[in-house]
Amino acid sequence: DAGITQSPRYKITETGRQVTLMCHQTWSHSYMFWYRQDLGHGLRLIYYSAAADITDKGEVPDGYVVSRSKTENFPLTLESATRSQTSVYFCASGRDREAEAFFGQGTRLTVV
Amino acid sequence: AQSVSQHNHHVILSEAASLELGCNYSYGGTVNLFWYVQYPGQHLQLLLKYFSGDPLVKGIKGFEAEFIKSKFSFNLRKPSVQWSDTAEYFCAVNAESGGGADGLTFGKGTHLIIQP
Repeated sequence: DAGITQSPRYKITETGRQVTLMCHQTWSHSYMFWYRQDLGHGLRLIYYSAAADITDKGEVPDGYVVSRSKTENFPLTLESATRSQTSVYFCASGRDREAEAFFGQGTRLTVV
Repeated sequence: AQSVSQHNHHVILSEAASLELGCNYSYGGTVNLFWYVQYPGQHLQLLLKYFSGDPLVKGIKGFEAEFIKSKFSFNLRKPSVQWSDTAEYFCAVNAESGGGADGLTFGKGTHLIIQP
């Protein structure tokens, strides 16, 4: 199916573990984004990518790593998970930097 | 950098009431403006957007928004809400090329509850 898919939908991990959240889009959009959603903060941009092999930091990048070797994939890695990274993570894609973003279903991550 | 302020964090209305959710942004240049909706347990979906032209834009499900440049505002309206409009509403802004960071900047959201 066309669209943007995230996996897993739910994840529980322990403090200090590395965890990777996957994001795949079938539209060939140039831009991809990772946001985290927290109560009282709305959505905050973690990292974004303008094209394959081009990534840049957003508002809250600390503790996260991204890569984009292929246009359609944009994985987000928590190198050493902390409880403050418990959140709902949304991946999004857009045709260009000014167009609307299309969001995935989200990954609910709990760090215990 | 741009920022977005949503005036109301929680709004409770009865069915058939009129709705207006406030949104103000701060950025000196040209922006693109969006309203997204998030139904319980779901992802964000675009309600409407403004890039240029007529400042009154119409979106899906009977929603509309008016861009008032002099007030840096982009308020969302609906004349008669339904129970199914219960959701979280987010205003977002994206500075045009050459200004601001890439990616949408979101407000903190307004939680709308419609009572039957």
